[in-house]
Amino acid sequence: GALVYQYPRRTICKSGTSMRMECQAVGFQATSVAWYRQSPQKTFELIALSTVNSAIKYEQNFTQEKFPISHPNLSFSSMTVLNAYLEDRGLYLCGARADRADNQAPLFGEGTRLSVL
Amino acid sequence: GQQVQQSPASLVLQEGENAELQCNFSSTATQLQWFYQSPGGSLVSLLSNPSGTKHTGRLTSTTVTKERRSSLHISSSQTTDSGTYLCAIDESGSFNKLTFGAGTRLAVCP
Repeated sequence: GALVYQYPRRTICKSGTSMRMECQAVGFQATSVAWYRQSPQKTFELIALSTVNSAIKYEQNFTQEKFPISHPNLSFSSMTVLNAYLEDRGLYLCGARADRADNQAPLFGEGTRLSVL
Repeated sequence: GQQVQQSPASLVLQEGENAELQCNFSSTATQLQWFYQSPGGSLVSLLSNPSGTKHTGRLTSTTVTKERRSSLHISSSQTTDSGTYLCAIDESGSFNKLTFGAGTRLAVCP
């Protein structure tokens, strides 16, 4: 079956350092990948949307300089949190969609939980 | 921008009771999805229901588009239903940009 695998599941980094998280679509080809963050006591916010053959689009309050994303093929995406600080803590989810059908919700991975010391 | 309000914020039930969760949104939602977030954090799609009524198992969702509201009814709740239920909408129609509500935290006691 189709699933989205995220790695690592949990990570701890020191304040000011960077960490990279990965998202792998298994069993299907992801034509679009969206990265979301759920900060403590908050709901999910869209960070950026990456669509094959299109530029990565970042939402307000999120930048490529802070959250660079790589989407080299239809199965894999990675995002780095550069210079992580306390406000970057949270659960980072990757949601991938298999095709351009508008009525299909993304399939989410189990997330990478980032703690910052 | 789009806002999604969910109520109640939390709900405690005895096993076997029914739950009614509400989602209100501020502008037209071309797509609406109910998700379940497990205590561990993972997100699972439950129902896609931009309009009308849909059923799956013990879940029933009713969305009244012109009133900008959707409900999720859980019948005969089980302890394994405990977790957070999130409503998310997308104005673009593509599910590429979901706006989430804050969720309803459900606890079902044995």
